[in-house]
Amino acid sequence: ETGVTQSPTHLIKTRGQQVTLRCSSQSGHNTVSWYQQALGQGPQFIFQYYREEENGRGNFPPRFSGLQFPNYSSELNVNALELDDSALYLCASRPERSSYNEQFFGPGTRLTVL
Amino acid sequence: AQTVTQSQPEMSVQEAETVTLSCTYDTSESNYYLFWYKQPPSRQMILVIRQEAYKQQNATENRFSVNFQKAAKSFSLKISDSQLGDTAMYFCAFMDPGGSQGNLIFGKGTKLSVKP
Repeated sequence: ETGVTQSPTHLIKTRGQQVTLRCSSQSGHNTVSWYQQALGQGPQFIFQYYREEENGRGNFPPRFSGLQFPNYSSELNVNALELDDSALYLCASRPERSSYNEQFFGPGTRLTVL
Repeated sequence: AQTVTQSQPEMSVQEAETVTLSCTYDTSESNYYLFWYKQPPSRQMILVIRQEAYKQQNATENRFSVNFQKAAKSFSLKISDSQLGDTAMYFCAFMDPGGSQGNLIFGKGTKLSVKP
């Protein structure tokens, strides 16, 4: 167990809809990253939040946005869903002082876009 | 841009045997971290082992060890005394702590099956 939880476990949406995925990190983990893992692929970095500010972003369009809250929870929002957004979405958190930069992953949310 | 390549999409090994998973990466950085993560069917990504690039000594964690060849940009994972619970996807990952806000760059993974 990593102490990182995600909700919901599974979600089905239709093209054009909006979705919010949630992540709850361990206390003291003030850095959270989100990854998209398409079927049969490795995870791809979406963005990272540190102390409630976005401080890094991968090659994802602006319709992917996020929020981080003071209680170590965070959200990933995706607008105007497309079929290719179907994937496993993982959040990962780490404490501010991490000697090995280890990220602790949640179990993921499986999003299906029809 | 950094890249990570895992050239073995699938591998299988008999229980109690040893297996080696390959990983190569490309970077111009001298200071970085390398990781092997395990993702079982439960989907939870679990850290198996990590290596700091400045350390010449290969990391070991119980039955898991790495062969880190910095000049060749190679980072293979050896699993000794394979167990049925080792069946999972294994991902090699790279992190440049100074450049990309510490995000992980993953390979495509190797599906390992341990057979009884």
